[in-house]
Amino acid sequence: GQSLEQPSEVTAVEGAIVQINCTYQTSGFYGLSWYQQHDGGAPTFLSYNALDGLEETGRFSSFLSRSDSYGYLLLQELQMKDSASYFCAVGSNYQLIWGAGTKLIIKP
Amino acid sequence: DGGITQSPKYLFRKEGQNVTLSCEQNLNHDAMYWYRQDPGQGLRLIYYSQIVNDFQKGDIAEGYSVSREKKESFPLTVTSAQKNPTAFYLCASTRQGQGDYGYTFGSGTRLTVV
Repeated sequence: GQSLEQPSEVTAVEGAIVQINCTYQTSGFYGLSWYQQHDGGAPTFLSYNALDGLEETGRFSSFLSRSDSYGYLLLQELQMKDSASYFCAVGSNYQLIWGAGTKLIIKP
Repeated sequence: DGGITQSPKYLFRKEGQNVTLSCEQNLNHDAMYWYRQDPGQGLRLIYYSQIVNDFQKGDIAEGYSVSREKKESFPLTVTSAQKNPTAFYLCASTRQGQGDYGYTFGSGTRLTVV
């Protein structure tokens, strides 16, 4: 079957750095994406990795290792507004296969 | 501004009733998707369409139906055959591809059975 594994919850302190991991097992692979969803809202696209390595977009970075079927999202200089759920998703057969999401809790 | 419009924002359905959720996009995207999200859960694919007049079942299509008569529109009907329809429904679109351009989501419709 196809599956993505990510931690259900991560807690961090404001101003700190946090890493959210994602491992995947899919029949096809066309890239790893990350989305942010605030409570009651819609997911918004954060980043996409098709090739191995690190992609940086402001305070957010995303990493991919295709040989390990693994990626992570790195959030730096955490702000209270970063409190949200973060989803990894793999492109496969013209669909996105979604992880169950990681709830990021930020403490002052 | 381009985007996806879902309506209504909140919808209440009586037992045995069919309801239709609207999804309209002006992004000129080819592919459109319907997802269901239950509290604290991820997104589950109901139906998707890559081109007008064609659509495919997702993982949880039973009890739902769709149409794609226009590129801009992809309505979802929740039929009486769907026994547990209370959920948050999200419509998304993307340029043709595997998700590398990112999905754009509507603001969602929260459906409750009363």
